[in-house]
Amino acid sequence: QSALTQPASVSGSPGQSITISCTGTSSDVGSYNLVSWYQQHPGKAPKLMIYEGSKRPSGVSNRFSGSKSGNTASLTISGLQAEDEADYYCCSYAGSYVFGTGTKVTVL
Amino acid sequence: QVQLQESGPGLVKPSETLSLTCTVSGGSISSYYWSWIRQPPGKGLEWIGCIYYSGSTNYNPSLKSRVTISVDTSKDQFSLRLNSVTAADTAVYYCARSFVGHWYFDLWGRGTLVTVSS
Repeated sequence: QSALTQPASVSGSPGQSITISCTGTSSDVGSYNLVSWYQQHPGKAPKLMIYEGSKRPSGVSNRFSGSKSGNTASLTISGLQAEDEADYYCCSYAGSYVFGTGTKVTVL
Repeated sequence: QVQLQESGPGLVKPSETLSLTCTVSGGSISSYYWSWIRQPPGKGLEWIGCIYYSGSTNYNPSLKSRVTISVDTSKDQFSLRLNSVTAADTAVYYCARSFVGHWYFDLWGRGTLVTVSS
């Protein structure tokens, strides 16, 4: 099972919206709505931001939203803030878990 | 609230076995799936495998031949053994929790760095 494909980096100015893509195959991302997204600050453990494609855990800002189209899932961060600068990983389940390659988000 | 804490040697010699334990505090290990996930320095996340509190397991096919995950419900702990390690196994190892019937990790430990070196 190959890692899901994410852009290496995405950047935006404070207040802007950015979208991170996560491309898999019809066997993983495309099969079920089981994509989750994690935020990881340097030296810290990952934090769940989105699960089952578009659901937000309690306590996660509604500036974070998820969606899916075909074999590609997306995470959108609206109203970008300095604290959003971090690495983001998608993850899909299809018998076993596979993570994305990771995207570094930079707030300009 | 429930917390996870990884523990084990920070240095393992090549060809030997890496052993880590994750302790669940503030709650019970029952009725959840428990995973090990690793992250080589400067690289991405890799799922290693998981165990249900009853003992059933599921492993990453790429690591399956070298991995054993076990659970001790009396201690609220689960463990990882990875044998025949090489430098490529150097990573921060995280333990994480999943709800039954839900395929995501809602709770993570802080992680522990394991270096494979002679």
